[in-house]
Amino acid sequence: NAGVTQTPKFQVLKTGQSMTLQCAQDMNHEYMSWYRQDPGMGLRLIHYSVGAGITDQGEVPNGYNVSRSTTEDFPLRLLSAAPSQTSVYFCASRQGWANTEAFFGQGTRLTVV
Amino acid sequence: KQEVTQIPAALSVPEGENLVLNCSFTDSAIYNLQWFRQDPGKGLTSLLLIQSSQREQTSGRLNASLDKSSGRSTLYIAASQPGDSATYLCAGSNAGGTSYGKLTFGQGTILTVHP
Repeated sequence: NAGVTQTPKFQVLKTGQSMTLQCAQDMNHEYMSWYRQDPGMGLRLIHYSVGAGITDQGEVPNGYNVSRSTTEDFPLRLLSAAPSQTSVYFCASRQGWANTEAFFGQGTRLTVV
Repeated sequence: KQEVTQIPAALSVPEGENLVLNCSFTDSAIYNLQWFRQDPGKGLTSLLLIQSSQREQTSGRLNASLDKSSGRSTLYIAASQPGDSATYLCAGSNAGGTSYGKLTFGQGTILTVHP
């Protein structure tokens, strides 16, 4: 039972480079989301999706794009990496957007130099 | 806007002690509250989910309560063990609003249980 799988676990990027953080879940959950975790800031919502083909912005969406072509996958794209995007990124999924348990992946630790 | 606060920021206790972690939130229209555990360099592991219609949930040595009227939730850990050492996070989910299903997290309590 894999749950929520994120790849890669670690990544170093140069400023201006682009990359995609992968997230997949095998629980047939409708709702998926991306958070970033920074010291002193806690976890903040970047983007979320309530189902395939539907995405929306969270509280810190600038510099990130998402798409949801399947129920299972919810990739996060960094368009032009900046040092301010150095963070740990977590993908989460839950059956519905309310009153259901959220499950998190193991995280991707990203450093932008 | 929902704000979540956790007290204390850090707690160190001897093995075997019973302890309480506190979580407070500003918006009582909370849909549910979830407690997580995070080990260093790892992801978040769900411990307990309390829905708005519930007062408490129990799992093994863990018991979490929710009091919407006072804006508080507590996580009670019985007979603590060194393996309980981790950061504990609480997160509230509000109905509707501008970000459906958004979890608003507290800053966490770093728990150390020493032998």
